[in-house]
Amino acid sequence: AQKITQTQPGMFVQEKEAVTLDCTYDTSDQSYGLFWYKQPSSGEMIFLIYQGSYDEQNATEGRYSLNFQKARKSANLVISASQLGDSAMYFCATYTGANSKLTFGKGITLSVRP
Amino acid sequence: GAVVSQHPSWVICKSGTSVKIECRSLDFQATTMFWYRQFPKQSLMLMATSNEGSKATYEQGVEKDKFLINHASLTLSTLTVTSAHPEDSSFYICSANSDRGRHQETQYFGPGTRLLVL
Repeated sequence: AQKITQTQPGMFVQEKEAVTLDCTYDTSDQSYGLFWYKQPSSGEMIFLIYQGSYDEQNATEGRYSLNFQKARKSANLVISASQLGDSAMYFCATYTGANSKLTFGKGITLSVRP
Repeated sequence: GAVVSQHPSWVICKSGTSVKIECRSLDFQATTMFWYRQFPKQSLMLMATSNEGSKATYEQGVEKDKFLINHASLTLSTLTVTSAHPEDSSFYICSANSDRGRHQETQYFGPGTRLLVL
């Protein structure tokens, strides 16, 4: 079974600064994928970034990067140069081919201050 | 690419009525779609996996007769909440895998449907 842990209840960051959102996972599978999604107040789930378990380099997508530490089973999301529009809930999720499902964490609320 | 739409975005209905929610993949074909439910300030809970041309696979604890899923084509899956009651009020969101993305495991989500049962 997969388990995702996001323990930060709420995060605040000043506009234009960087912020790290934590995510740890637990899986017995050798091959898996890690995802981050953003959910603004409108409710839509926006795909941000993906990291494969066998990828040697950390994934990056624009201002988003994933700090992947496989041995520690952590996949923290780093948002650089925060913008007001980054205020949202952020969900970490894992996927394995064994069950072909996404397992989501509880999410983290990020608020960007002007 | 990989756009998923949902209709309606909002629905208010009386207790006892049935509500149908549509999920469409607009620019790709989706053999598999997923239906989630989300309560305020909580995470997404997978309800069922919808497979084109076959029966849906429901998660443990989800009533099949309550939440009817039909995946009649490669671009459309529907979720019908039958005899809705106030406790069914929630945010329902669908997703689909797309071969247009870099990674086939990535699920692309619709905008969601907010259901309020009075």
